[in-house]
Amino acid sequence: QAVVTQEPSLTVSPGGTVTLTCASDTGAVTSSHYPNWFQQKPGQAPRSLIHNTRDRHPWTPARFSGSLLGGKAALTVSGVQPEDEAEYHCLLFYGGSQLVFGGGTKLTVL
Amino acid sequence: QLQLQESGPGLVRPSETLSLTCSVSGGSINNRNYYWGWVRQPPGRGLEWIADIFYTGSTYYNPSLRSRVAASVDASKNQFSLSLTFVTATDTAMYYCSRRYYTAYRGAFDIWGLGTLVTVSS
Repeated sequence: QAVVTQEPSLTVSPGGTVTLTCASDTGAVTSSHYPNWFQQKPGQAPRSLIHNTRDRHPWTPARFSGSLLGGKAALTVSGVQPEDEAEYHCLLFYGGSQLVFGGGTKLTVL
Repeated sequence: QLQLQESGPGLVRPSETLSLTCSVSGGSINNRNYYWGWVRQPPGRGLEWIADIFYTGSTYYNPSLRSRVAASVDASKNQFSLSLTFVTATDTAMYYCSRRYYTAYRGAFDIWGLGTLVTVSS
């Protein structure tokens, strides 16, 4: 089974911009992996933010954007707000029916 | 608004079988547009996809768990279930049920339950 890797932790200042990445040990992440991003706050269930690389859900703030960057999936948060402090998980699809999550990135807003 | 609610034993003894149920309210499980699934999260760790099931009963499993896991649908109760056999301490986790699109939006997740914590201990 593939292994998906994320930065364990990142720190950003309020109002700043931060990019989280998601890599696969099978090679470059492409749009065929349909990258998804989830936000999870302590004691809460995950909430889907981005699907299909860059598509936002209706509830996803515009400051969250998804992309492919240097062979990885990326989630960029622009104009970071204090409420964006959370764990962020990426998800990649392999062969359409096998799903692998990354280990998560703890984002601190400081 | 459709909601999902997990229910389960809370505590399971090693080598026994874990059984969880997800109750669907505010909508029907007989919907060709969605998968119903399970994701777990060990304490302090990342998410792990376990299984998806379609309303027809077709199932898709994480290869690392396939030998121990089974998912099922009970349309009469508007519920779906998960069983995991021969559990060990490594199966201790928060278990979430979820819904994701079957084909639209490239299979995106949209709804999650609140989760139920299962501890494996003697």
